[in-house]
This record gives sequence, C-alpha cells and structure tokens, in this order.
Amino acid sequence: GENVEQHPSTLSVQEGDSAVIKCTYSDSASNYFPWYKQELGKRPQLIIDIRSNVGEKKDQRIAVTLNKTAKHFSLHITETQPEDSAVYFCAASPTLTFGKGTMLLVSP
Amino acid sequence: SAVISQKPSRDICQRGTSLTIQCQVDSQVTMMFWYRQQPGQSLTLIATANQGSEATYESGFVIDKFPISRPNLTFSTLTVSNMSPEDSSIYLCSAWTDMNTEAFFGQGTRLTVV
Repeated sequence: GENVEQHPSTLSVQEGDSAVIKCTYSDSASNYFPWYKQELGKRPQLIIDIRSNVGEKKDQRIAVTLNKTAKHFSLHITETQPEDSAVYFCAASPTLTFGKGTMLLVSP
Repeated sequence: SAVISQKPSRDICQRGTSLTIQCQVDSQVTMMFWYRQQPGQSLTLIATANQGSEATYESGFVIDKFPISRPNLTFSTLTVSNMSPEDSSIYLCSAWTDMNTEAFFGQGTRLTVV
C-alpha cells in the first residue's frame, strides 16, 4: 500500500515568517495530494490540494508544489499568523493515506 | 460539499463489549473511509467501506475486529468488537463525493474502553 512520510514533526516560526512542510510518497499510481489542517479537538479540514497533472498550486498565502518524478510534494505558508498554529497533514490517494503530521507553532 | 453526521460523539465502554459508530452523509458519495486517530497522532486508515460489497481493510485491521457496513451511498457503520483498553481512540469517518476531490470528515467518536 501507499506510504507517506512527512517532515518535520514540529515547526516553530515567528509571525510573518514562511513555513515549509515536506512529504514523500511511495505509490507511483497516486495522483491526488491534499493537505489538511487540524486544530485541537476538531476534525481535519482541507486547506489545499493538487493533482498529478499540475506542478504547483497557490491560494493566497498557501501554495503546494508537486514533483512526481521524485515523489514528493510540499506545503508552503507565507506571512504566517498565530492562527495558522495547528497540526498539518499531507495525504496521498487513491485511498487517503496520511503522513504523521507537522505541528506548526507561530509565535507572535 | 458534503456534511457528515457521526455518532456517538463519545462513549465509555466496558472491555469485552462492542460499539457501533454511525456515519450519515447528506448526499451520495462514491467512497467512505474509516480512520483511527490516537491523541496527538496521525490518522490511520482502517478500511474503505464499499457499497454493496465487503470493506477493504488495511494491513493490521481485520473484519472480525472492525466489521463495517455500507448499505447505501450515504450511510456506513463501523463496529469495534470485543473491545480492550488498547482500542481507546478517536474514530473518524470520511467521505469522497468524487475521487480526487475534497474528502470530508465526520466530527469523530472519542472511545474510551475501561
């Protein structure tokens, strides 16, 4: 089955800095790569996703890049804000297999 | 989009008993998944609930322990059988309206086995 590795496990940044979270996957048949944000005690919420026919996608302060050859994809958050603090998960299809998560802490 | 109602939201159960968790989606969905999430950990896929056929289980999960039903395109249940304290966790259902689009999650069931 699919195996998704995610790094780092914890990321601390100052408000206004950028944050980058990286994931690798094993199944070359995977073609859908979403990123979820989970706040404490809440369900995961999709923040951005990318499909295998696209190399990059951006939505305001959030961007995702995909390198299918290398089987890795990354989440980029610019101008971080304290409300960005949460756990972020990457995942890969065809069944949604999740990475282990990154706890992002944004200090004011 | 899809709204998923999952219940119960929490339960405390005696070891050796079983608990059935229900997920109801407000629209027809192609795929439904069941996950387990330990506090502070990632989501571990238990199985894919297939409509009209047996669920597809991931490595380490078996049907006798986690029987799953999916009688139609909007509803699924997960049963945690013969529970032990190690089964204490949050269980989440998820649904895809179409493949490779946003997957929506239920609010989770916090299970404590004593």
